[in-house]
Amino acid sequence: GNSVTQMEGPVTLSEEAFLTINCTYTATGYPSLFWYVQYPGEGLQLLLKATKADDKGSNKGFEATYRKETTSFHLEKGSVQVSDSAVYFCALSEYGGATNKLIFGTGTLLAVQP
Amino acid sequence: DTGVSQDPRHKITKRGQNVTFRCDPISEHNRLYWYRQTLGQGPEFLTYFQNEAQLEKSRLLSDRFSAERPKGSFSTLEIQRTEQGDSAMYLCASSSVSGGSYNEQFFGPGTRLTVL
Repeated sequence: GNSVTQMEGPVTLSEEAFLTINCTYTATGYPSLFWYVQYPGEGLQLLLKATKADDKGSNKGFEATYRKETTSFHLEKGSVQVSDSAVYFCALSEYGGATNKLIFGTGTLLAVQP
Repeated sequence: DTGVSQDPRHKITKRGQNVTFRCDPISEHNRLYWYRQTLGQGPEFLTYFQNEAQLEKSRLLSDRFSAERPKGSFSTLEIQRTEQGDSAMYLCASSSVSGGSYNEQFFGPGTRLTVL
């Protein structure tokens, strides 16, 4: 079945450091890929998405590129801030699926220290 | 506030009791989803509605669980005869659908259930 695997946390960085959170997926067909973020005490929010191979999603300085050849969708940011501290979830939605239900990874906690 | 709301935010119950959660989606959204999130895990799909029709249920949704969306607006999720393994965060999300393309799911803050 379809699944998402992301690197375990916590990831602890100093402010202005470079961030990479790895995400790989297993899916039939061509899923859409997403990164969701959960800030402390808040609900999940869509951070960025990509719907086909080689698409790059970007938002708030974060980027991720849909790599079909490596079945990956790694999240990157060039310079993290304390306010980026949150849990990040990689997710997929099946291509052509009627429900558009999301399949999530286990989440990666990011802690940015000043 | 026009976001997805859930009530209650926290629920503590004793094993064997029934509980009911409510979700109010964004008003113009016709799709509504329920997910369950246990500690240290990502959310897992439980079920979804398009308008008032429940179109898919996960095998995670045992016969003790029932969800309704009677008028295509708010939804309720009931758990009967709760077990300690039901302790989790229950998330609701809503989205619109147009032309079969994906539209963003907007999540509510969740209801945290603790079964003693």
